[in-house]
Amino acid sequence: AQSVTQLGSHVSVSEGALVLLRCNYSSSVPPYLFWYVQYPNQGLQLLLKYTSAATLVKGINGFEAEFKKSETSFHLTKPSAHMSDAAEYFCAVSTSYGKLTFGQGTILTVHP
Amino acid sequence: EAGVTQFPSHSVIEKGQTVTLRCDPISGHDNLYWYRRVMGKEIKFLLHFVKESKQDESGMPNNRFLAERTGGTYSTLKVQPAELEDSGVYFCASSPLKTGADDTQYFGPGTRLTVL
Repeated sequence: AQSVTQLGSHVSVSEGALVLLRCNYSSSVPPYLFWYVQYPNQGLQLLLKYTSAATLVKGINGFEAEFKKSETSFHLTKPSAHMSDAAEYFCAVSTSYGKLTFGQGTILTVHP
Repeated sequence: EAGVTQFPSHSVIEKGQTVTLRCDPISGHDNLYWYRRVMGKEIKFLLHFVKESKQDESGMPNNRFLAERTGGTYSTLKVQPAELEDSGVYFCASSPLKTGADDTQYFGPGTRLTVL
């Protein structure tokens, strides 16, 4: 069985500060990993995904994530937070048929 | 290109009533998924259609939930009779028909269901 743990249900940063959202996974097979973002009143939008091509994955809006097999982690980072980054972020792992298993979500607050 | 749409955006019903949620996937997407997020919990998989066939319905909570996808286009999710614990946000997602688990799923905005 696969599972995902996001450490920290709420993360608060100052505008311009580093954003670090943590995700650890458990999978019996090589995983496909995803980060999705949900802005208020919108659906989930794909930020980036890991498909084994490269361990450092770059996504939209300046976000990136690094796949570390030894640590079973796929943390999401952004060097400098913007007010527009305030949203809820979800880490997910995929099974062979595309069924996604999600973490609990992390709400990111960005303050001036 | 239109995205995944869901109707209604909100639904408030009494316990014991019936509600039907609808999802229109992106045109040409053969994979269609339903997920649910109960308040304070993670988003959970309900079921997966490939065209009109149910590929995986392991996440359906019980037999009060019935999903259909006639003709392989839009899908409906009916809850009958609704219970209090069915409250939550129901998401639909779609993706093209490919063979890999790395396919991107495109999500709709969700239907917020409240059962009183």
